[in-house]
Amino acid sequence: KNQVEQSPQSLIILEGKNCTLQCNYTVSPFSNLRWYKQDTGRGPVSLTIMTFSENTKSNGRYTATLDADTKQSSLHITASQLSDSASYICVVSAKSGNTPLVFGKGTRLSVIA
Amino acid sequence: NAGVTQTPKFQVLKTGQSMTLQCAQDMNHEYMSWYRQDPGMGLRLIHYSVGAGITDQGEVPNGYNVSRSTTEDFPLRLLSAAPSQTSVYFCASMGELFFGEGSRLTVL
Repeated sequence: KNQVEQSPQSLIILEGKNCTLQCNYTVSPFSNLRWYKQDTGRGPVSLTIMTFSENTKSNGRYTATLDADTKQSSLHITASQLSDSASYICVVSAKSGNTPLVFGKGTRLSVIA
Repeated sequence: NAGVTQTPKFQVLKTGQSMTLQCAQDMNHEYMSWYRQDPGMGLRLIHYSVGAGITDQGEVPNGYNVSRSTTEDFPLRLLSAAPSQTSVYFCASMGELFFGEGSRLTVL
């Protein structure tokens, strides 16, 4: 069964600190992996998209890594800001055209002063 | 350029009532989709469309209808609302690269 598991479920960090969010998946055959940021009461916003051949991709203070062999990805946030408080969702796409995207349940990050 | 626009943002219905959630995009994207987001669950695909006149079912299509008469618009219809359809609904376009702001629906 295609699944995406994220950890931790929630995380609280101090402003200015770094953090890493984890994503493990069993989706096959793999096409791409995405990370989204979802602010409370808003729609998800795409942060990064990585294909099989990419193992690192950055978007400002956000850096995503992908290990297609172990089927793991991480999202590293550097020098966190209060505005980083949000849910971060890992999404995996399969190569089969009829297989929908598989969404993780998200990690809720709270950055406090 | 408004991106993906959803209306209404909030709606309360009684069981058995019908309504339509509107979704419009001004980016000329062929692919559009509808998702629902429930507490403790990932987003789940309801219906999607790869272009005007073409729609298909996702994971959880029961109780919902869609149509795609133009590239810009992709409305989601609830013909007879049920409490199980209480959720937040998101419309997306361009392979889920762009999401609307969501429509929060409560069915009493």
